[in-house]
Amino acid sequence: DTAVSQTPKYLVTQMGNDKSIKCEQNLGHDTMYWYKQDSKKFLKIMFSYNNKELIINETVPNRFSPKSPDKAHLNLHINSLELGDSAVYFCASSQGAGGRNEQFFGPGTRLTVL
Amino acid sequence: AQSVSQHNHHVILSEAASLELGCNYSYGGTVNLFWYVQYPGQHLQLLLKYFSGDPLVKGIKGFEAEFIKSKFSFNLRKPSVQWSDTAEYFCAVDPRGSARQLTFGSGTQLTVLP
Repeated sequence: DTAVSQTPKYLVTQMGNDKSIKCEQNLGHDTMYWYKQDSKKFLKIMFSYNNKELIINETVPNRFSPKSPDKAHLNLHINSLELGDSAVYFCASSQGAGGRNEQFFGPGTRLTVL
Repeated sequence: AQSVSQHNHHVILSEAASLELGCNYSYGGTVNLFWYVQYPGQHLQLLLKYFSGDPLVKGIKGFEAEFIKSKFSFNLRKPSVQWSDTAEYFCAVDPRGSARQLTFGSGTQLTVLP
């Protein structure tokens, strides 16, 4: 009964590959997020979807493409992986868009690009 | 651009010592403020939050934080830490009425020695 789940937990892949990370929340929230945490622990927002609609799209390479098939899912697809993409990726959700609303985080996906 | 600074990258304390973790932000308008905690191997979870009213807010597990508007600070405190408080602590700021996103600090790793 995990609130926000991500798969896989670990992902090791070669440069140039395409990979996806899946996120699901069972909290009934209408807003979902993707964050990237770099090696210095900086947590930076990448995307946010509210009711399946993109509302925040920070400056990330267009190799990153989020997809929200429904309100409970927000997947992250990454094309042509590069070394610099190695990081921990966190999914989160909240009820309502806006920083006032508590965000619930998933356990993270540690991506290592070789 | 707004930023959030956590000057202590790693804090090491003995059990029963008092804790204060600094957080400063660089946004001049009205803000919502948060502290999140990430215990080893777990996901981020909300520790406490400030929206308005009493600038001294209490959170879970005996933590509290004080918002000092004139200093743009939201420091986290606990009078007596326990070994189980060992975790990474993140301060986050939401400028009200903005692009509806949280900006996180780089985190402070707290290690409590038994």
